[in-house]
Amino acid sequence: DTGVSQDPRHKITKRGQNVTFRCDPISEHNRLYWYRQTLGQGPEFLTYFQNEAQLEKSRLLSDRFSAERPKGSFSTLEIQRTEQGDSAMYLCASSPFPRGKNTEAFFGQGTRLTVV
Amino acid sequence: AQSVTQLGSHVSVSEGALVLLRCNYSSSVPPYLFWYVQYPNQGLQLLLKYTTGATLVKGINGFEAEFKKSETSFHLTKPSAHMSDAAEYFCAVSGYTGANSKLTFGKGITLSVRP
Repeated sequence: DTGVSQDPRHKITKRGQNVTFRCDPISEHNRLYWYRQTLGQGPEFLTYFQNEAQLEKSRLLSDRFSAERPKGSFSTLEIQRTEQGDSAMYLCASSPFPRGKNTEAFFGQGTRLTVV
Repeated sequence: AQSVTQLGSHVSVSEGALVLLRCNYSSSVPPYLFWYVQYPNQGLQLLLKYTTGATLVKGINGFEAEFKKSETSFHLTKPSAHMSDAAEYFCAVSGYTGANSKLTFGKGITLSVRP
């Protein structure tokens, strides 16, 4: 397994356009997380899935953001009507969740979004 | 609720010197604690973690950290800095149950290593 994969690595878009990012987790991991990291800050939690169910969404996830994880495999994060404030690194992480206990998350390389 | 405080945004050490990066946390549930490293334009790599058991944990690249519950601290140390250690370091906290599994990060500390 090559780890968590994110695509694209970089995205430049014009304000008002829609963008979609993809995350492929480590295959046996049933939990998938999305975080956003702005310059000079630590990552901030956006949302997470257990299998295909979206279990929690942060207040940071406005109505313009939507995430899916069909069939509990890869996930997509879509931002509609992008704004300059959406410019950030979007990080995906996955983790196994055996027997209801937490363990560490493994991160992808991230997708850097620039809204111009 | 959980939070992490990393004092100071930048630490500079000489090659071969001790590295000490401070982390204090707040958690309403027993914490799991993590240190991650991030190189420019890269994702996060786990250095080490504390879950239960031994409070002194060893990680990759010669780093270690000690969980001190009474001080709510989880400081990261390395006896001798190497040039390749220059990166950004994040301390993070989570809970151990499903509802608390998401990570809460500090703002990060940039480590510079002088030749």
